[in-house]
Amino acid sequence: GQQVMQIPQYQHVQEGEDFTTYCNSSTTLSNIQWYKQRPGGHPVFLIQLVKSGEVKKQKRLTFQFGEAKKNSSLHITATQTTDVGTYFCAGRDYGQNFVFGPGTRLSVLP
Amino acid sequence: NAGVMQNPRHLVRRRGQEARLRCSPMKGHSHVYWYRQLPEEGLKFMVYLQKENIIDESGMPKERFSAEFPKEGPSILRIQQVVRGDSAAYFCASSPIGTSGIEQYFGPGTRLTVT
Repeated sequence: GQQVMQIPQYQHVQEGEDFTTYCNSSTTLSNIQWYKQRPGGHPVFLIQLVKSGEVKKQKRLTFQFGEAKKNSSLHITATQTTDVGTYFCAGRDYGQNFVFGPGTRLSVLP
Repeated sequence: NAGVMQNPRHLVRRRGQEARLRCSPMKGHSHVYWYRQLPEEGLKFMVYLQKENIIDESGMPKERFSAEFPKEGPSILRIQQVVRGDSAAYFCASSPIGTSGIEQYFGPGTRLTVT
């Protein structure tokens, strides 16, 4: 079945540094979503990417969907302590449901 | 507009007891998804339901687990004869239509502890 992997599993950065997490799917995706989960909280939707090579920005966050629609990345510029949490990608192939990656846990040192 | 509601937020059960987890989707949402999250791990899809129908239960363990979404009332995830390995956070999410490109709104989760 479809598998979604994320790297790195953990990332510790100093406040102000950049951060990137990568998401890779074993199958071609129809679309991909990104979620953020704060410690002790629940996942919150960030964005959805649909088109091959698509790039979307939300303030300091940049999301990219690969040309082959099998991978995606989330880049945060100049991290802040409010960015702390686990970032999940969720990939949907041409079936019914999204498969979540294991997440990248980001900690930001002030 | 209230968000997705789950109760209880915390549930403690002894081995062998039953656990019932409830999820009320956002108003106007007729699609509900249940996920399990083990400590320090990602979300594992369990089941996708619409009102009175189970659409996809491919992530549900074959035994002891069942889910329903009746015409009236919340969706229920039921775990019979709980074991220690069932300890996890159980999240439900809802969407207005099927996940053909629509974000899922997650509830706060129920944290189940089996002693």
